Amino acid sequence: QVQLVQSGADVKKPGASVKVSCKASGYTFTRNAIHWVRQAPGQRLEWMGWINAGNGNTKYSQKFQDRVTITRDTSASTAYMELSSLRSEDTAMYYCARDPGGGNGDYYFDYWGQGTLVTVSS
Amino acid sequence: DIQMTQSPSTLSASVGDRVTITCRASQSISSWLAWYQQKPGKAPKFLMYKASSLESGVPSRFSGSGSGIEFTLTISSLQPDDCATYYCQQYYTYPLTFGQGTKVVIK
Repeated sequence: QVQLVQSGADVKKPGASVKVSCKASGYTFTRNAIHWVRQAPGQRLEWMGWINAGNGNTKYSQKFQDRVTITRDTSASTAYMELSSLRSEDTAMYYCARDPGGGNGDYYFDYWGQGTLVTVSS
Repeated sequence: DIQMTQSPSTLSASVGDRVTITCRASQSISSWLAWYQQKPGKAPKFLMYKASSLESGVPSRFSGSGSGIEFTLTISSLQPDDCATYYCQQYYTYPLTFGQGTKVVIK
């Protein structure tokens, strides 16, 4: 069965960077895109960007364009999201989610990781 | 950005009731809308795509409708397991955006 397993919770100081991993299993990793979505406490879900796991192409939300980098390691079936210049407002649960479409994607999410809590605090 | 607005924010209903959640887009999104269910402390669960296409394995008491700017998610007979927050998401254009959520509680 499809599973996305994320790395554990992390605490960072303002100005630092965080890198969250998302290991996929149960399907051919390169056939589907992976998106990253975050949820600050009590807030709505917020899309950050996605990567075509096959060719490595990425697309980012303009809000995060300057600070986020999404990569993947096909040999490890793992996607990564790195967010830099962290501030307290970045404290949130970060989710990876699979796009059910092949190629260029369908832009919704059929399987989600369990979430990674990133806390930004001095 | 396309703003997604859900109503109500909280809905209280009895087991067996028919429940309807509305999602409105700030501009037309055709039928490019998905719905998710999120329980406390859990990741969202995918329910529906293209406004009315039910994901495999989702109970048939869930249904969706709408196109353009107004959409609804209906639970035909509310069950205790349906207590959750429901989110709509547009995928008509970037950035992909979500509604603020509708919390469904049992009366």
